[in-house]
Amino acid sequence: GNSVTQMEGPVTLSEEAFLTINCTYTATGYPSLFWYVQYPGEGLQLLLKATKADDKGSNKGFEATYRKETTSFHLEKGSVQVSDSAVYFCALSLNTDKLIFGTGTRLQVFP
Amino acid sequence: GAGVSQSPSNKVTEKGKDVELRCDPISGHTALYWYRQSLGQGLEFLIYFQGNSAPDKSGLPSDRFSAERTGGSVSTLTIQRTQQEDSAVYLCASSLTGKANVLTFGAGSRLTVL
Repeated sequence: GNSVTQMEGPVTLSEEAFLTINCTYTATGYPSLFWYVQYPGEGLQLLLKATKADDKGSNKGFEATYRKETTSFHLEKGSVQVSDSAVYFCALSLNTDKLIFGTGTRLQVFP
Repeated sequence: GAGVSQSPSNKVTEKGKDVELRCDPISGHTALYWYRQSLGQGLEFLIYFQGNSAPDKSGLPSDRFSAERTGGSVSTLTIQRTQQEDSAVYLCASSLTGKANVLTFGAGSRLTVL
């Protein structure tokens, strides 16, 4: 079946550290891939997306590259801030009408 | 409205009672989705509406769960005879085009079944 696997959290970093949150997927076909973010007390927001292999999605200093050969879509940021503390969800869509999400990874950034 | 509104934001109920959760999508959004977020779990798809019809209700966990949408706008998720395992945050999202990649989510309704 179609699924998303992401690294378990929490990920705890100091401000300005480098961030990687791993995400791999299993899909029958060629999915679009997404990262959503849920800040404390807020709804999920689309952070970035990529719709085909080798595409790079980017937003707010975050990047993720669609790697078909490794079925991965790892999220990276060069220098995290305290305000980046949130739960990050990797997701896929296969030309259907719903998103399939991973379990989420909590990021905690300390000053 | 400006965003997706859900009510109530918090609901505590006793086991066996029925509950209704409401979602008011962004005006003009034709597609509406319900997801469930349980502690330690990802977001579990429940049901999808396009207009007033539900082409995909494959995620509803049992026949105690039902949902409807009227006027192509407000949707209600009903859980009958609630069980403790129903405790979760129920998230609603809407989409202008029906394509999953432009979902806008509400803040959720937290349900606690005692």
